[in-house]
Amino acid sequence: LAKTTQPISMDSYEGQEVNITCSHNNIATNDYITWYQQFPSQGPRFIIQGYKTKVTNEVASLFIPADRKSSTLSLPRVSLSDTAVYYCLVGLGAGNNRKLIWGLGTSLAVNP
Amino acid sequence: EAGVTQSPTHLIKTRGQQATLRCSPISGHTSVYWYQQALGLGLQFLLWYDEGEERNRGNFPPRFSGRQFPNYSSELNVNALELEDSALYLCASSTGADSDTGELFFGEGSRLTVL
Repeated sequence: LAKTTQPISMDSYEGQEVNITCSHNNIATNDYITWYQQFPSQGPRFIIQGYKTKVTNEVASLFIPADRKSSTLSLPRVSLSDTAVYYCLVGLGAGNNRKLIWGLGTSLAVNP
Repeated sequence: EAGVTQSPTHLIKTRGQQATLRCSPISGHTSVYWYQQALGLGLQFLLWYDEGEERNRGNFPPRFSGRQFPNYSSELNVNALELEDSALYLCASSTGADSDTGELFFGEGSRLTVL
């Protein structure tokens, strides 16, 4: 099974751009890459999902190189409320063999 | 539209007892996932149900079990509770096995404390 690897923690300041990279060397052809945000004692919340190249929504951008062995979540102009744990999720397999693999998460601290 | 709902929000049990946690998925979703998240750790996959059947299971002992009802709600049962079962149990739903691209919708979780 493929493993995802993310930095354990990151620090930033309000107004800066934050980039969090996830490695997934054994990603399968039909797998998507999804990022989630989690605040303490709450369930994770979907941020963005992509398959290749670049995806952008109102809260983040996701950059995926051609080989798809990594992905980078970009948060523009972070604020204190962006302090949370960010998870990279890669879907493996299909049908009954599907097992969603979660990374350990990156704890982002945004400072004033 | 209501999101994923879980009950109870908090549950306190003693070692050896049984705990039952419940989850109602978003209307129209047929897949339900259960995760365990111990304090300060990542999500550990427990169980996946779709269309009433168990589709996959994580590396947990058999005393962790569950089921999915015809209305797609789900129950997680933990028997013979141990202290290390204390955790936040998260339920998530998605549109189903065939169309699942990884977008999961989570509930707020049930906090189980074993004394």
